[in-house]
Amino acid sequence: AAGVIQSPRHLIKEKRETATLKCYPIPRHDTVYWYQQGPGQDPQFLISFYEKMQSDKGSIPDRFSAQQFSDYHSELNMSSLELGDSALYFCASSSAVGTQYFGPGTRLTVL
Amino acid sequence: GIQVEQSPPDLILQEGANSTLRCNFSDSVNNLQWFHQNPWGQLINLFYIPSGTKQNGRLSATTVATERYSLLYISSSQTTDSGVYFCAVEPGGYQKVTFGIGTKLQVIP
Repeated sequence: AAGVIQSPRHLIKEKRETATLKCYPIPRHDTVYWYQQGPGQDPQFLISFYEKMQSDKGSIPDRFSAQQFSDYHSELNMSSLELGDSALYFCASSSAVGTQYFGPGTRLTVL
Repeated sequence: GIQVEQSPPDLILQEGANSTLRCNFSDSVNNLQWFHQNPWGQLINLFYIPSGTKQNGRLSATTVATERYSLLYISSSQTTDSGVYFCAVEPGGYQKVTFGIGTKLQVIP
C-alpha cells in the first residue's frame, strides 16, 4: 500500500539559510500534519491542513510557513535557519476522521 | 490538551526477557498508536489500538479505553527490539497526535 512520502530524507543547511520540506500524503487523504522531533525528544505538533486550509497550529516559529496544494501535497518552508532547528520533521496524513499515518521523516541538520 | 504519560522512561533487558510498557492518557481518544523508533529515526507503527487487544508476533498491545491506559508487551526480546517506543494518541478527528516521552529500551545480548 502507498505510504506518506517525504523529501528530501536528509538535508544539511547553514545557519540563516532556507529549507523546504515536502510531503506527499497517501492518495485520497485530505489532511496533512507536520511534527518536529528534536534530539532526545518526542515529536511535537507544528501545523496541519485540511482541504488546503490551515486547520490547527502548534508551536511553529514565525520563521516557518507551510501550505497544502491542490494535489494535497504539502510543503514546510523554513527561513533564517538556526542551530536549534536541527531535528527530524515528520509529516502525517489522514482522511476524514481516520487514523494518521506517518511518513519516514526528513532529518534536517543546520551547521 | 490531552496528557500522555509513559513508563518506564528507560529499560534495560537481557535478550530473551519479557517486558511491559505502559501508557496513561488523560482523556478519551479516537485512536492510540504504538511506535518503535529505530536508530535511523523512522517511526515504525506497531499497533493502531484505541481499544481491545492485538497481537503481532512477539508483540501485543492492550488498551483499556474506559480506564485510559494502554500496555505494550514484548516477549522474548531481541537486540533488534532496542530503540524508543512511543505511545501517541489522537483525541478526535482532524486533531493533532500527542506523543508520550517514550520508553528507551536497550536489549543486551
